[in-house]
Amino acid sequence: GQSLEQPSEVTAVEGAIVQINCTYQTSGFYGLSWYQQHDGGAPTFLSYNALDGLEETGRFSSFLSRSDSYGYLLLQELQMKDSASYFCAGSNSNSGYALNFGKGTSLLVTP
Amino acid sequence: DARVTQTPRHKVTEMGQEVTMRCQPILGHNTVFWYRQTMMQGLELLAYFRNRAPLDDSGMPKDRFSAEMPDATLATLKIQPSEPRDSAVYFCASGTGMNTEAFFGQGTRLTVV
Repeated sequence: GQSLEQPSEVTAVEGAIVQINCTYQTSGFYGLSWYQQHDGGAPTFLSYNALDGLEETGRFSSFLSRSDSYGYLLLQELQMKDSASYFCAGSNSNSGYALNFGKGTSLLVTP
Repeated sequence: DARVTQTPRHKVTEMGQEVTMRCQPILGHNTVFWYRQTMMQGLELLAYFRNRAPLDDSGMPKDRFSAEMPDATLATLKIQPSEPRDSAVYFCASGTGMNTEAFFGQGTRLTVV
């Protein structure tokens, strides 16, 4: 399946901006998604990029650069409730567009 | 309120027993995923169906695991025989098309003792 790399942990202060990076293998890559998961909960969809550029949804934005095999999730005006794990996920045409996840980035927002 | 439903939510079983986990995808969704989540390995894709046909089960241990979709409203994941290393949270998710968004169920927390 698709291999995706992201940092394991990030800490940021309430009200700040944080960027979570994700790099991926290019073979068969189709699009990049981001998911949020709170402790004990299920992953929930945040955003999707199929084309290069920035997608904005409220306080969250996601960026993709196919030429660099790289994307990021940008969280602005951080709130305590944003403390969660964030996963990038790639769909790959070589595997019928199966959705493979990175290992997740644990974000801790501090006061 | 459309959502993916998984049963059971929790399962404790003894090593060697058969475990069956069930998933009802959202009506109208044509893709179904099974994932296993552990602290060490994260979210591992076990099986992937589109229009009830298995497309990718390369991540699934074939000797003990099996996944099926007997109809469009039910997906099953079976482990026989179960082992302690199978202890994890198993998620089912469903979606449409090229999977711009996958909707996850609440998961089955499996403990094999």
